[in-house]
Amino acid sequence: NAGVTQTPKFQVLKTGQSMTLQCAQDMNHEYMSWYRQDPGMGLRLIHYSVGAGITDQGEVPNGYNVSRSTTEDFPLRLLSAAPSQTSVYFCASRTATRASENEQFFGPGTRLTVL
Amino acid sequence: QQQVKQSPQSLIVQKGGISIINCAYENTAFDYFPWYQQFPGKGPALLIAIRPDVSEKKEGRFTISFNKSAKQFSLHIMDSQPGDSATYFCAAKWGGGSNYKLTFGKGTLLTVNP
Repeated sequence: NAGVTQTPKFQVLKTGQSMTLQCAQDMNHEYMSWYRQDPGMGLRLIHYSVGAGITDQGEVPNGYNVSRSTTEDFPLRLLSAAPSQTSVYFCASRTATRASENEQFFGPGTRLTVL
Repeated sequence: QQQVKQSPQSLIVQKGGISIINCAYENTAFDYFPWYQQFPGKGPALLIAIRPDVSEKKEGRFTISFNKSAKQFSLHIMDSQPGDSATYFCAAKWGGGSNYKLTFGKGTLLTVNP
């Protein structure tokens, strides 16, 4: 199993450009999510999905869109990049059963710089 | 309050020493407390976790101490090694059913000097 994969690893954008961060998992996990990590801010939830066709907003959703057409993929779209979106982005997945101890698996991250 | 307050922000320990990272919370509805370890350039990975009905959980050199009445929990790393140098995040689970979420502390950068 590859686990959670993310592409690209690094990206530089100019203000106003759009792009899609890709995330895929091969563990058949129902629940997928996107976090951003900023220095001194920890991990903040952007959007999440509990299954194909179902998405919802997290703590910091503004400026980001998501969709979930398959169980495996959960892309994150920046429609008009802003310097405030410079961050490291992590995708994560887990099963969606009721058990508390569902380990959340993180991808390796995408480091995005917006100039 | 869906917040978890983590301290210290950074920590330097000598090899063989004990590393202690503390977290505090207000929301008594939190019902699961995992710790994640993140090496530079990598994603966080689950290290150890505890339920609030347990006061201590130990896995190898890593121990979580949990004080429910004080709403505090801490990670202890015994015999700290340079390979333990990483960023550590505490977290707390909230929300019911399959739609639960994790809220994370702001992280502690641990450096273990040889």
